[in-house]
Amino acid sequence: QAGLTQPPSVSKGLRQTATLTCTGNSNNVGYQGAAWLQQHQGHPPKLLSYRKNNRPSGISERFSASRSGNTASLTISGLQPEDEADYYCSAWDSSLSVWVFGGGTKLTVL
Amino acid sequence: EVQLVESGGGLVQPGGSLRLSCTTSGFTFSRYWMSWVRQAPGKGLEWMANVNQDGSAKFYVDSVKGRFTISRDNAKNSLSLQMNSLRAEDTALYYCVRDSPPDYGDSMGDFWGRGTLVTVSS
Repeated sequence: QAGLTQPPSVSKGLRQTATLTCTGNSNNVGYQGAAWLQQHQGHPPKLLSYRKNNRPSGISERFSASRSGNTASLTISGLQPEDEADYYCSAWDSSLSVWVFGGGTKLTVL
Repeated sequence: EVQLVESGGGLVQPGGSLRLSCTTSGFTFSRYWMSWVRQAPGKGLEWMANVNQDGSAKFYVDSVKGRFTISRDNAKNSLSLQMNSLRAEDTALYYCVRDSPPDYGDSMGDFWGRGTLVTVSS
């Protein structure tokens, strides 16, 4: 079962803005949107954004999600050292009846 | 405080079986869908299965259909994953995850346990 497509790595400078992308199809990202999760090495993932692009309580406003068609995006503004992590998108695939993840993007803050 | 605590992982031979458990607290368990998600060493996240609030609906990824069974006990606020016919490629950290109705809910993954490690090797 094919997953969502994310770039393997993104590098940006301190205090810059990074935009991560997640591409699917009309049965998953285009169906109900994609959620975004952050995972630091050795820790479980943490939800940054719900499928409808709203943030869970306690998540910084520096994290902003959006969607255009079958592509979801996560924008992280004012990059901080602690933002260096792996980022995953996830969506429900209505044709396969499964949750699918992207392969993850490793964000490096220079 | 929402807590999800997995247990039951360990070393098992190929072809063997293992039962994972997840004990929950801090929320009304019976109101939520629940999922299992795994992560092989150094790899990405892979969703395994989920179950609805009363256990009447279950979905699985193709790679575990017929081998893994998800179940829940709302009286004990617990989730289980029975894993049979285990293969080397099932080696991973298995996470218990709070889920939501796939077709209209917020998202899967607003709360995660710390995981339990399953190693399939002879």
